[in-house]
Amino acid sequence: QLQLQESGPGLVKPSETLSLTCTVSDDSIGSSAYYWAWIRQPPGKGLEWIGSISYSGSAFYNSSLESRVTISIDTSRNQFSLKLNSVTAADTAIYYCARRTEKMITLGGLIGWGYFFDYWGQGTLVTVSS
Amino acid sequence: EIVLTQSPGTLSLSPGERATLSCRASQSLNSRYLAWYQQKSGQAPRLLIFGASSRATGIPDRFSGSGSGTDFTLTISRLEPEDFAVYYCQQYGSSPYMCSFGQGTKLEIK
Repeated sequence: QLQLQESGPGLVKPSETLSLTCTVSDDSIGSSAYYWAWIRQPPGKGLEWIGSISYSGSAFYNSSLESRVTISIDTSRNQFSLKLNSVTAADTAIYYCARRTEKMITLGGLIGWGYFFDYWGQGTLVTVSS
Repeated sequence: EIVLTQSPGTLSLSPGERATLSCRASQSLNSRYLAWYQQKSGQAPRLLIFGASSRATGIPDRFSGSGSGTDFTLTISRLEPEDFAVYYCQQYGSSPYMCSFGQGTKLEIK
């Protein structure tokens, strides 16, 4: 059973950089079949996709966060990381890492790829406060 | 960017009843890109449905998904006590490699 584990500081000061790492329990991080994602959830609110990265380092970001976000990957260590700079109290949230899987799906006689998050970390709360 | 709007915001039902949750997309969406997740308090989300109608591994058959175009539905045929949670729809792939979630529907015990 694949496991993902987030790690990093639970408290970050305003205007500083939030840095988190997700450790993947097996070497599927090096597979072209998956992307690796960060998703966050402010306390009591809904889910927000931050961005995703492939094993080769191709990254895609939520346009609302793109100017402040960097996601990187280190397949030799089975890890991928999130950096979010210039944080404010609005960045206080539970941060999840997750695996995005692609699967061939047949619908209405047509075949194509579907994408979804099938494994999630337990989440880590990051609070932005001085 | 596709916006997903879920309704109702809160649904109050009793165990044994049927639950119908709606997810509407701001523009037509390929059904292969639509998934549903369940989130219980203090836990990470769990994948229920992918490709609009395919159940994920280990998901009971009382959960079903349907829909196409802009309107998608998650149905729970007979509610069990453990089904009371928050449910999110999500799309991934409508614009290459981009993802968004609906705001969630809270299913609570009446």
